[in-house]
Amino acid sequence: DTEVTQTPKHLVMGMTNKKSLKCEQHMGHRAMYWYKQKAKKPPELMFVYSYEKLSINESVPSRFSPECPNSSLLNLHLHALQPEDSALYLCASSQGRGASNEKLFFGSGTQLSVL
Amino acid sequence: LAKTTQPISMDSYEGQEVNITCSHNNIATNDYITWYQQFPSQGPRFIIQGYKTKVTNEVASLFIPADRKSSTLSLPRVSLSDTAVYYCLVGGPLYNQGGKLIFGQGTELSVKP
Repeated sequence: DTEVTQTPKHLVMGMTNKKSLKCEQHMGHRAMYWYKQKAKKPPELMFVYSYEKLSINESVPSRFSPECPNSSLLNLHLHALQPEDSALYLCASSQGRGASNEKLFFGSGTQLSVL
Repeated sequence: LAKTTQPISMDSYEGQEVNITCSHNNIATNDYITWYQQFPSQGPRFIIQGYKTKVTNEVASLFIPADRKSSTLSLPRVSLSDTAVYYCLVGGPLYNQGGKLIFGQGTELSVKP
């Protein structure tokens, strides 16, 4: 199984809502990532978890809260988002060994619209 | 962190060979070069990786000169379904970068009938 599964595929939420994005992989990978991608732009790194510990937070606003309950799951909790947060949110995983030839495996993403 | 530079866009016709060159002048000695393909509203997916000379798989070839300051992704006989954005990345997501693998602007390839 070389899949990274993200749910939901689409999400529409108001600025006062609380929602969560979910990501799952069963490849035994120990590093998991959240990226944000705006239309016609490259993915931008948000968070990195390595062995279930948050290792990178790219100065992301606190209205985004990541969680890694175990080595297979990654969540992104959303609260009080702004319309400019509308984007494709991508989850990725990698082996986590820190090798230069380590590959990223991406999910299909959650297309988020904030009204 | 090794920065990459690619053409923003390229056009081609079905059946042609497409070559996309990526410049990475400050590549480190142990860095691998990895190319990803992304279709609209999907996540990037790995297509090929190499360290030096030439690598070929079922979908593409990767040419890396001896100085490794650039690399060229070659797509043989493209079809409409190869229309996508192609990203060149240097190094692993955690290797020497603490997770900060930066995506460059990518090359938007448009294949026409």
